Amino acid sequence: KQEVTQIPAALSVPEGENLVLNCSFTDSAIYNLQWFRQDPGKGLTSLLLIQSSQREQTSGRLNASLDKSSGRSTLYIAASQPGDSATYLCAVNSGGYQKVTFGTGTKLQVIP
Amino acid sequence: DAGVTQSPTHLIKTRGQQVTLRCSPKSGHDTVSWYQQALGQGPQFIFQYYEEEERQRGNFPDRFSGHQFPNYSSELNVNALLLGDSALYLCASSLVAVTEQYFGPGTRLTVT
Repeated sequence: KQEVTQIPAALSVPEGENLVLNCSFTDSAIYNLQWFRQDPGKGLTSLLLIQSSQREQTSGRLNASLDKSSGRSTLYIAASQPGDSATYLCAVNSGGYQKVTFGTGTKLQVIP
Repeated sequence: DAGVTQSPTHLIKTRGQQVTLRCSPKSGHDTVSWYQQALGQGPQFIFQYYEEEERQRGNFPDRFSGHQFPNYSSELNVNALLLGDSALYLCASSLVAVTEQYFGPGTRLTVT
């Protein structure tokens, strides 16, 4: 059974700081890994999708890496802004037909 | 291009009642997955529909059932509601089984 852990559970940083969010998973046989952000009471917004054959993906100030052998992914956010404040979730697709397992998320607060 | 839509936005039901939630996938998508998200937790996979069939199921009782229509839209039905069913119910769509998932805004269900 796939288990996904995200550390830290919460993070508070001053505006402009670079930061790293961590995601670890127990079963390295995955199809892909997806990072999402979720604003309070809202749905999920996809940030980056990394296929199992890829090592990293970049979108603007965001960079996600994947190391299947160690069961880890990181989301790097450069030059953080108050608008980045949200909960960040990683989701691991490790079965056929998208059996997806989510972590419990990292709640990020960027202080102006 | 309309994204994933869900209805209703909010719903209040009494314990023991039945509820139906609806989801329309992103244009061009053929696969719909349903998730339950309790407060402060990551989403939990309920089931996935493809070609009008349930293809994968998470660890949820038979009180949770679903349907997919020929136009790819989907319904989630929950019978004999319990207080513990109170959660945000999220629908996600994708094209075939291993591509990026797009989430709707969710339906907030409160069981009293």
